[in-house]
Amino acid sequence: DQQVKQNSPSLSVQEGRISILNCDYTNSMFDYFLWYKKYPAEGPTFLISISSIKDKNEDGRFTVFLNKSAKHLSLHIVPSQPGDSAVYFCAASAVLWGNNRLAFGKGNQVVVIP
Amino acid sequence: NAGVTQTPKFQVLKTGQSMTLQCAQDMNHEYMSWYRQDPGMGLRLIHYSVGAGITDQGEVPNGYNVSRSTTEDFPLRLLSAAPSQTSVYFCASSYIGTSGGTDTQYFGPGTRLTVL
Repeated sequence: DQQVKQNSPSLSVQEGRISILNCDYTNSMFDYFLWYKKYPAEGPTFLISISSIKDKNEDGRFTVFLNKSAKHLSLHIVPSQPGDSAVYFCAASAVLWGNNRLAFGKGNQVVVIP
Repeated sequence: NAGVTQTPKFQVLKTGQSMTLQCAQDMNHEYMSWYRQDPGMGLRLIHYSVGAGITDQGEVPNGYNVSRSTTEDFPLRLLSAAPSQTSVYFCASSYIGTSGGTDTQYFGPGTRLTVL
């Protein structure tokens, strides 16, 4: 049973516009959330994270918003650049799990059109 | 720092063959893990280890064995390969979060395995 869900598997956006990726989770024990970015033929790389004690975390062009009551988080990329074209994975973890275990969503393909 | 390295990059096996996927990291990370990525399935955890001599099962452990004799290395063994194990395999490592959070995991470049 998928505990981290990413719908809308692909997104196309014009360069300079905003990209919004959504992620829903079902396990209320999750308390730490991460976004990873993956280029073809490479491993995923960490992008940004947020703890459940916050509702927003910003790092340059990337902002993650967390709505705990809705069990929903989103990643905003502003402005989108062609180099942002990649697959983005949402991941979640729980302190009670311990040991850095992560549950991943299926990923969203983002294509930024120059 | 080489980070996380994986060998081989590509491998083709016949059903029933065995092989070992190698993973090494030079960051002195305690935590290491193996994931598989299948189309439309995201990354699923196979096995993980929190230190030398300690391993545990993840979400999809069947058909795979692991051992952790050193901090640096975490090989994944396929005992008798099956077509269902055709996938891309990623190894990852990280420090273990000290404040109850999850420390950033660093992924290797992956091994693309095809089982005929």
